[in-house]
Amino acid sequence: EAQVTQNPRYLITVTGKKLTVTCSQNMNHEYMSWYRQDPGLGLRQIYYSMNVEVTDKGDVPEGYKVSRKEKRNFPLILESPSPNQTSLYFCASSGGSLSYEQYFGPGTRLTVT
Amino acid sequence: GESVGLHLPTLSVQEGDNSIINCAYSNSASDYFIWYKQESGKGPQFIIDIRSNMDKRQGQRVTVLLNKTVKHLSLQIAATQPGDSAVYFCVGRYSTLTFGKGTMLLVSP
Repeated sequence: EAQVTQNPRYLITVTGKKLTVTCSQNMNHEYMSWYRQDPGLGLRQIYYSMNVEVTDKGDVPEGYKVSRKEKRNFPLILESPSPNQTSLYFCASSGGSLSYEQYFGPGTRLTVT
Repeated sequence: GESVGLHLPTLSVQEGDNSIINCAYSNSASDYFIWYKQESGKGPQFIIDIRSNMDKRQGQRVTVLLNKTVKHLSLQIAATQPGDSAVYFCVGRYSTLTFGKGTMLLVSP
């Protein structure tokens, strides 16, 4: 089954404790991206990757890092989480950078206290 | 910059009615507009798209209308069902996909 998986699905952590949210897709997609979703603000792109070892900032990259060492994986790293990073995070993948049919993961709800 | 927004945060309809979800955009440079549906607890899911040189596109029970003159598009859902209850996003394709804030569609039996 074609899918995007994220782990963990739920995470409660404390300010400053480094964490990683993993994302994996099995569709051999080149393009992957991370979004955060906040009430009243919709979905905002954090980072995206057009291919292995190619990443770029989206609209709200501050406080986040990503890496793309393999085509299928695109982890999101919060080196020093802060409460304003409490949000619902989605990973997505598609066949190309401008492919409008993106496949989204199930989401990771992160709470930073 | 790009801006894509929906007119109403919430739309309530009765089962069987037709639903119309509206969206406005500010930047005409998008070559495609897309509608996504997000059910509770899930990630957004692609529904239908429309190329910017088209006025109308139909899918299964859904129709997209694009009015470039007033920079407006709409998603029409025929015979709305409880399973259509979700948040709907209009999305513009610029340098990246730009999501609007979403309209929650509530379908009551």
